[in-house]
Amino acid sequence: AQSVTQLDSQVPVFEEAPVELRCNYSSSVSVYLFWYVQYPNQGLQLLLKYLSGSTLVKGINGFEAEFNKSQTSFHLRKPSVHISDTAEYFCAVTYSGGYQKVTFGTGTKLQVIP
Amino acid sequence: GAVVSQHPSRVICKSGTSVKIECRSLDFQATTMFWYRQFPKQSLMLMATSNEGSKATYEQGVEKDKFLINHASLTLSTLTVTSAHPEDSSFYICSASGGDSTDTQYFGPGTRLTVL
Repeated sequence: AQSVTQLDSQVPVFEEAPVELRCNYSSSVSVYLFWYVQYPNQGLQLLLKYLSGSTLVKGINGFEAEFNKSQTSFHLRKPSVHISDTAEYFCAVTYSGGYQKVTFGTGTKLQVIP
Repeated sequence: GAVVSQHPSRVICKSGTSVKIECRSLDFQATTMFWYRQFPKQSLMLMATSNEGSKATYEQGVEKDKFLINHASLTLSTLTVTSAHPEDSSFYICSASGGDSTDTQYFGPGTRLTVL
Protein backbone atom coordinates (compact mmCIF):
# COMPACT_ATOMS: atom_id res chain seq x y z
CA ALA A 1 0.00 0.00 0.00
CA GLN A 2 1.11 3.54 -0.62
CA SER A 3 1.29 6.29 1.97
CA VAL A 4 2.15 9.98 2.08
CA THR A 5 3.74 11.91 4.92
CA GLN A 6 3.66 15.65 5.28
CA LEU A 7 5.69 16.25 8.41
CA ASP A 8 4.87 19.93 8.80
CA SER A 9 1.28 20.68 9.75
CA GLN A 10 1.93 24.43 9.66
CA VAL A 11 4.61 26.52 7.99
CA PRO A 12 4.73 30.25 8.76
CA VAL A 13 6.86 32.33 6.39
CA PHE A 14 7.31 36.02 5.74
CA GLU A 15 6.07 37.54 2.51
CA GLU A 16 8.66 37.42 -0.32
CA ALA A 17 10.68 34.75 1.50
CA PRO A 18 11.26 31.31 -0.04
CA VAL A 19 9.35 28.28 1.20
CA GLU A 20 9.64 24.52 1.00
CA LEU A 21 6.79 22.19 1.93
CA ARG A 22 7.97 18.65 2.53
CA CYS A 23 6.37 15.48 1.24
CA ASN A 24 7.63 11.92 1.54
CA TYR A 25 5.91 8.87 0.17
CA SER A 26 6.24 5.14 0.41
CA SER A 27 5.28 2.69 -2.29
CA SER A 28 6.61 -0.56 -3.62
CA VAL A 29 5.69 0.32 -7.20
CA SER A 30 5.99 3.28 -9.55
CA VAL A 31 3.85 6.23 -8.59
CA TYR A 32 2.45 9.47 -9.83
CA LEU A 33 2.80 12.41 -7.45
CA PHE A 34 0.67 15.53 -7.09
CA TRP A 35 0.45 18.74 -5.14
CA TYR A 36 -2.94 20.36 -4.60
CA VAL A 37 -3.84 23.66 -2.95
CA GLN A 38 -7.05 24.27 -1.02
CA TYR A 39 -8.29 27.73 -0.11
CA PRO A 40 -10.81 28.03 2.77
CA ASN A 41 -14.18 26.43 2.02
CA GLN A 42 -13.14 25.49 -1.48
CA GLY A 43 -12.22 22.34 -3.35
CA LEU A 44 -8.70 21.34 -4.35
CA GLN A 45 -6.83 22.94 -7.21
CA LEU A 46 -4.03 21.07 -8.96
CA LEU A 47 -0.70 22.87 -8.57
CA LEU A 48 1.53 20.41 -10.38
CA LYS A 49 2.11 16.74 -11.01
CA TYR A 50 4.91 14.30 -11.71
CA LEU A 51 4.12 11.41 -14.03
CA SER A 52 7.47 10.67 -15.66
CA GLY A 53 10.41 12.38 -17.33
CA SER A 54 12.15 15.39 -15.83
CA THR A 55 12.28 15.21 -12.06
CA LEU A 56 11.84 18.98 -11.71
CA VAL A 57 8.23 19.88 -12.29
CA LYS A 58 6.95 23.41 -12.65
CA GLY A 59 3.39 24.27 -11.77
CA ILE A 60 1.05 27.20 -11.51
CA ASN A 61 1.53 30.29 -9.35
CA GLY A 62 5.32 30.00 -9.45
CA PHE A 63 5.51 26.69 -7.57
CA GLU A 64 7.82 23.84 -8.47
CA ALA A 65 8.57 20.41 -7.04
CA GLU A 66 11.36 17.92 -7.41
CA PHE A 67 10.86 14.18 -7.51
CA ASN A 68 13.66 12.37 -5.70
CA LYS A 69 13.27 8.62 -6.07
CA SER A 70 16.17 7.67 -3.81
CA GLN A 71 14.80 9.77 -0.97
CA THR A 72 11.15 9.05 -1.89
CA SER A 73 10.41 12.74 -1.66
CA PHE A 74 8.45 15.29 -3.65
CA HIS A 75 9.01 18.61 -1.89
CA LEU A 76 7.19 21.72 -3.05
CA ARG A 77 9.07 25.02 -3.35
CA LYS A 78 8.48 28.64 -4.20
CA PRO A 79 11.30 31.22 -4.27
CA SER A 80 9.15 34.13 -3.09
CA VAL A 81 5.72 33.77 -1.51
CA HIS A 82 2.81 36.19 -1.57
CA ILE A 83 0.02 36.76 0.91
CA SER A 84 -2.32 35.08 -1.56
CA ASP A 85 -0.38 31.82 -1.19
CA THR A 86 -1.82 31.38 2.30
CA ALA A 87 -3.73 28.11 2.02
CA GLU A 88 -3.63 24.39 2.79
CA TYR A 89 -1.37 22.29 0.59
CA PHE A 90 -1.86 18.56 0.05
CA CYS A 91 0.62 16.11 -1.39
CA ALA A 92 -0.92 13.05 -3.04
CA VAL A 93 0.24 9.80 -4.61
CA THR A 94 -1.32 7.22 -6.86
CA TYR A 95 -0.08 4.12 -8.60
CA SER A 96 1.16 4.79 -12.12
CA GLY A 97 -1.43 3.24 -14.38
CA GLY A 98 -4.37 1.10 -13.45
CA TYR A 99 -6.76 1.96 -10.62
CA GLN A 100 -6.53 5.60 -9.72
CA LYS A 101 -7.12 5.58 -6.01
CA VAL A 102 -5.27 8.58 -4.64
CA THR A 103 -3.75 8.74 -1.19
CA PHE A 104 -3.51 12.21 0.33
CA GLY A 105 -1.15 13.51 2.95
CA THR A 106 -2.53 15.23 6.01
CA GLY A 107 -1.87 18.67 4.58
CA THR A 108 0.39 21.62 5.40
CA LYS A 109 -1.04 24.99 6.26
CA LEU A 110 1.13 27.69 4.69
CA GLN A 111 0.74 30.97 6.53
CA VAL A 112 2.32 33.96 4.81
CA ILE A 113 3.09 36.78 7.21
CA PRO A 114 3.04 40.34 5.84
CA GLY B 1 -10.11 23.06 -19.22
CA ALA B 2 -10.89 20.27 -16.72
CA VAL B 3 -13.53 22.13 -14.75
CA VAL B 4 -15.69 20.32 -12.23
CA SER B 5 -18.71 21.90 -10.58
CA GLN B 6 -20.75 20.89 -7.56
CA HIS B 7 -24.24 21.85 -6.53
CA PRO B 8 -25.28 23.00 -4.05
CA SER B 9 -22.27 24.67 -2.48
CA ARG B 10 -23.96 24.72 0.89
CA VAL B 11 -27.00 22.93 2.29
CA ILE B 12 -28.69 22.82 5.66
CA CYS B 13 -31.25 20.11 6.34
CA LYS B 14 -33.19 18.57 9.18
CA SER B 15 -32.22 15.26 10.70
CA GLY B 16 -33.92 12.36 8.93
CA THR B 17 -34.18 13.99 5.52
CA SER B 18 -32.20 13.09 2.41
CA VAL B 19 -29.87 15.39 0.53
CA LYS B 20 -28.62 15.07 -3.03
CA ILE B 21 -25.33 16.59 -4.18
CA GLU B 22 -24.49 16.86 -7.87
CA CYS B 23 -21.05 16.73 -9.42
CA ARG B 24 -20.57 17.71 -13.05
CA SER B 25 -17.58 17.73 -15.37
CA LEU B 26 -18.14 20.79 -17.53
CA ASP B 27 -15.63 20.45 -20.32
CA PHE B 28 -14.59 16.81 -20.45
CA GLN B 29 -16.09 13.37 -20.21
CA ALA B 30 -15.46 11.91 -16.79
CA THR B 31 -15.12 8.17 -17.03
CA THR B 32 -14.40 7.99 -13.33
CA MET B 33 -15.69 10.14 -10.50
CA PHE B 34 -14.69 10.08 -6.85
CA TRP B 35 -16.44 11.25 -3.70
CA TYR B 36 -14.49 12.45 -0.70
CA ARG B 37 -15.38 13.64 2.75
CA GLN B 38 -13.28 16.16 4.62
CA PHE B 39 -13.53 16.88 8.33
CA PRO B 40 -12.36 20.23 9.71
CA LYS B 41 -8.62 20.70 9.49
CA GLN B 42 -8.15 17.17 8.15
CA SER B 43 -7.25 15.54 4.89
CA LEU B 44 -9.64 14.05 2.38
CA MET B 45 -11.15 10.65 2.99
CA LEU B 46 -12.16 8.71 -0.10
CA MET B 47 -15.70 7.43 0.22
CA ALA B 48 -16.30 5.80 -3.12
CA THR B 49 -15.27 5.55 -6.75
CA SER B 50 -17.76 5.40 -9.57
CA ASN B 51 -17.38 4.57 -13.21
CA GLU B 52 -20.02 5.66 -15.68
CA GLY B 53 -22.74 3.08 -15.99
CA SER B 54 -21.40 0.88 -13.20
CA LYS B 55 -22.09 0.48 -9.51
CA ALA B 56 -19.87 2.52 -7.25
CA THR B 57 -17.03 0.92 -5.32
CA TYR B 58 -17.19 1.95 -1.68
CA GLU B 59 -14.26 2.20 0.68
CA GLN B 60 -14.21 0.12 3.81
CA GLY B 61 -16.41 1.55 6.52
CA VAL B 62 -18.59 3.63 4.19
CA GLU B 63 -22.26 2.58 4.26
CA LYS B 64 -23.44 2.15 0.70
CA ASP B 65 -27.10 2.29 1.72
CA LYS B 66 -26.56 5.60 3.42
CA PHE B 67 -24.41 7.25 0.77
CA LEU B 68 -26.05 6.45 -2.56
CA ILE B 69 -23.91 7.21 -5.58
CA ASN B 70 -25.15 7.34 -9.14
CA HIS B 71 -22.97 7.96 -12.20
CA ALA B 72 -25.56 7.90 -14.94
CA SER B 73 -23.67 9.86 -17.57
CA LEU B 74 -20.13 10.84 -18.47
CA THR B 75 -20.65 14.32 -17.05
CA LEU B 76 -22.77 13.78 -13.96
CA SER B 77 -22.48 11.90 -10.70
CA THR B 78 -24.73 12.33 -7.68
CA LEU B 79 -24.25 11.57 -4.01
CA THR B 80 -27.40 11.19 -1.93
CA VAL B 81 -27.06 11.23 1.83
CA THR B 82 -30.11 9.32 3.03
CA SER B 83 -31.72 9.84 6.43
CA ALA B 84 -29.09 12.38 7.34
CA HIS B 85 -27.97 12.80 10.94
CA PRO B 86 -25.85 15.51 12.56
CA GLU B 87 -22.77 13.29 12.39
CA ASP B 88 -23.08 13.37 8.59
CA SER B 89 -22.35 17.09 8.66
CA SER B 90 -19.16 17.57 6.71
CA PHE B 91 -17.54 18.99 3.61
CA TYR B 92 -18.13 16.70 0.64
CA ILE B 93 -15.87 17.02 -2.40
CA CYS B 94 -16.10 15.24 -5.71
CA SER B 95 -13.41 14.78 -8.30
CA ALA B 96 -13.38 13.51 -11.85
CA SER B 97 -10.90 12.07 -14.26
CA GLY B 98 -11.17 11.21 -17.91
CA GLY B 99 -10.75 12.76 -21.33
CA ASP B 100 -7.10 13.55 -22.02
CA SER B 101 -6.10 13.26 -18.36
CA THR B 102 -7.06 9.89 -16.98
CA ASP B 103 -4.07 10.07 -14.62
CA THR B 104 -5.20 13.24 -12.84
CA GLN B 105 -8.22 14.01 -10.70
CA TYR B 106 -9.85 17.42 -10.99
CA PHE B 107 -11.82 18.55 -7.99
CA GLY B 108 -15.10 20.29 -7.55
CA PRO B 109 -15.47 23.26 -5.16
CA GLY B 110 -17.10 21.14 -2.47
CA THR B 111 -20.46 21.08 -0.68
CA ARG B 112 -20.85 22.03 2.96
CA LEU B 113 -23.58 19.88 4.51
CA THR B 114 -25.02 20.82 7.88
CA VAL B 115 -27.59 18.51 9.45
CA LEU B 116 -29.58 20.03 12.29
